[in-house]
Amino acid sequence: DGGITQSPKYLFRKEGQNVTLSCEQNLNHDAMYWYRQDPGQGLRLIYYSQIVNDFQKGDIAEGYSVSREKKESFPLTVTSAQKNPTAFYLCASSIVGTAYEQYFGPGTRLTVT
Amino acid sequence: GIQVEQSPPDLILQEGANSTLRCNFSDSVNNLQWFHQNPWGQLINLFYIPSGTKQNGRLSATTVATERYSLLYISSSQTTDSGVYFCAKGGGATNKLIFGTGTLLAVQP
Repeated sequence: DGGITQSPKYLFRKEGQNVTLSCEQNLNHDAMYWYRQDPGQGLRLIYYSQIVNDFQKGDIAEGYSVSREKKESFPLTVTSAQKNPTAFYLCASSIVGTAYEQYFGPGTRLTVT
Repeated sequence: GIQVEQSPPDLILQEGANSTLRCNFSDSVNNLQWFHQNPWGQLINLFYIPSGTKQNGRLSATTVATERYSLLYISSSQTTDSGVYFCAKGGGATNKLIFGTGTLLAVQP
C-alpha cells in the first residue's frame, strides 16, 4: 500500500534536548512538507523540499532543521532553540508543481517538559 | 490579512441532518483542498477542488474561484462525520498549503 508513515506516534522529551521526527513516503513524490498544528488551530508550514538535497524554510522554520538525502525520507529535527516545541507535527507529500494534491501522514505528537 | 477563513467555527447536528461549511479565501488559487481531521489527528483528504463541483457519496464540494469561496456539503450526517473540517489553499511555485482554522462538527445520535 502506498502512503506516508511517521514515527513515533507519541514522543516525550525534556527541555533542552534535540529530537528527530521521521517521515517516509512510498508514493514516489518529489515534494515533501512539514507542518505544525497547535490546539484549535490550522496547520502551519515549517519546511518543504522539492528535490533531494534541497529544501526551503516555510513560515515558522526557526528552531527546526531538516535534511533530504533520499527521495523517500524527510526527517525533521526539533532543536532546543525552538521556544514552544510541544505540538502535533504532520508530514505531507505531493507531485512537484503549482497545483497538486497533498497527502498527509498520521502525525507525531511531541510533548516537551 | 487572513488568507483562508472558515465558517461556522463550530456546528452541532442531529444525526441525519444536512450541513454546509464555507471557506472564503483571498487571492486566486491553484489548489484548494478539503480535509477531515479524525479524533486521532489523521488528516483525511476529502476533495481536491480548485474549481467546479465534485461529489463523493454523502459529501460534495463546490468551488467558485472567481468569487473566492468553496462550500462543503454533508448530507444525512452520521456520528462518524464528527471531527474538524479544514479547507486549505495552495498556490505559487511551492504548492504550500495555507490552512483555515477549521470547523468543529459534532453529530449527535
